[in-house]
Amino acid sequence: DTGVSQDPRHKITKRGQNVTFRCDPISEHNRLYWYRQTLGQGPEFLTYFQNEAQLEKSRLLSDRFSAERPKGSFSTLEIQRTEQGDSAMYLCASSPPRTVKITYEQYFGPGTRLTVT
Amino acid sequence: AQKITQTQPGMFVQEKEAVTLDCTYDTSDPSYGLFWYKQPSSGEMIFLIYQGSYDQQNATEGRYSLNFQKARKSANLVISASQLGDSAMYFCAMREFDSNYQLIWGAGTKLIIKP
Repeated sequence: DTGVSQDPRHKITKRGQNVTFRCDPISEHNRLYWYRQTLGQGPEFLTYFQNEAQLEKSRLLSDRFSAERPKGSFSTLEIQRTEQGDSAMYLCASSPPRTVKITYEQYFGPGTRLTVT
Repeated sequence: AQKITQTQPGMFVQEKEAVTLDCTYDTSDPSYGLFWYKQPSSGEMIFLIYQGSYDQQNATEGRYSLNFQKARKSANLVISASQLGDSAMYFCAMREFDSNYQLIWGAGTKLIIKP
């Protein structure tokens, strides 16, 4: 049973470039979350999908950020016109449906560390 | 206002001793869940233990137990017989049932186990 995977693990980009991250959740997990974590802080919620529907977006998610989960399986997070303040760890998590586990604990991937120069 | 407060930015503990990591929370939702996660230096967030607001018993998972005091709104993590591999950041998080399942996180506690 594989866990949540994220690609790439590290990304260095220049300010103004676009970047895209991918997350593959645990199979049969219908809920998928994106978080951002800066050094020394807890994660901050960005967005949430249930199957293919994006049900919630944080106010932190500016217009430069967009996320998709087209077939209810993998998800992508794109950041357009990156800024130095976007440098952070981007974490993806998934959780199973209530019929499987009602506690909804989230299982995290290894994260993608973004550095904007 | 902070919804999750972890007052210990860092802790040093001797190997094999028990350690308690503090977490207090704030919510007006009667239905909520509390989680503890471990984040080693590798970066991956590892789920440790869960406590539901209506659970009568304190949660336990192996060497981890959660000291849930609902009236005081505290959910402290207790690690028994600490090991060197327990050195990591520990995060307390809360899910409110009207929040679409997102987790709200504390700032974390850095735990270092001394040999």
